[in-house]
Amino acid sequence: GQQVMQIPQYQHVQEGEDFTTYCNSSTTLSNIQWYKQRPGGHPVFLIQLVKSGEVKKQKRLTFQFGEAKKNSSLHITATQTTDVGTYFCAGPQGGSEKLVFGKGTKLTVNP
Amino acid sequence: DAMVIQNPRYQVTQFGKPVTLSCSQTLNHNVMYWYQQKSSQAPKLLFHYYDKDFNNEADTPDNFQSRRPNTSFCFLDIRSPGLGDAAMYLCATSPRGAGPQHFGDGTRLSIL
Repeated sequence: GQQVMQIPQYQHVQEGEDFTTYCNSSTTLSNIQWYKQRPGGHPVFLIQLVKSGEVKKQKRLTFQFGEAKKNSSLHITATQTTDVGTYFCAGPQGGSEKLVFGKGTKLTVNP
Repeated sequence: DAMVIQNPRYQVTQFGKPVTLSCSQTLNHNVMYWYQQKSSQAPKLLFHYYDKDFNNEADTPDNFQSRRPNTSFCFLDIRSPGLGDAAMYLCATSPRGAGPQHFGDGTRLSIL
């Protein structure tokens, strides 16, 4: 079945360092979504990318969708302690209403 | 504010004692999902409704049932909870197929 792989599983950085998480799908995606889950919280939708090669920015966060629409990345510039949490990518499963989630990247930030 | 509300936030039940978790939404979204999330894992889809159409995941145990009496409400029934069912249960909604999902705060279920 369709798989979404995400690396790394864990990332520990010093505050001010950059952070990147990568997502790869076994199939071409119609869109890719990114979610952030704070410790003890619930996943919160960050962004959706639809177009091949699309790049979107939200302040210090940069999201990219690959040309083949099978991979994506999230890059955070100059991390802050408020960036702590687990970042999940997710892509639609076939033509259904379901999302396939990556396993997530857990980010910890040392102040 | 429009939102997804789950009750209760914390639920403790005894081994084998039926429990019901509830979810309501004011977003008027067509799709409602139930996920199970264990520590340090991704959310695992149990089932979802597209309007009144129920869609069960193949690996969801028969112990788990769901009801959606109307657009706004959805329930998760666990008929005979086992120790392995202790987890966070997340409800989510989406306006359409595979669109961005809005999650509730979740219900953390503990089994004694």
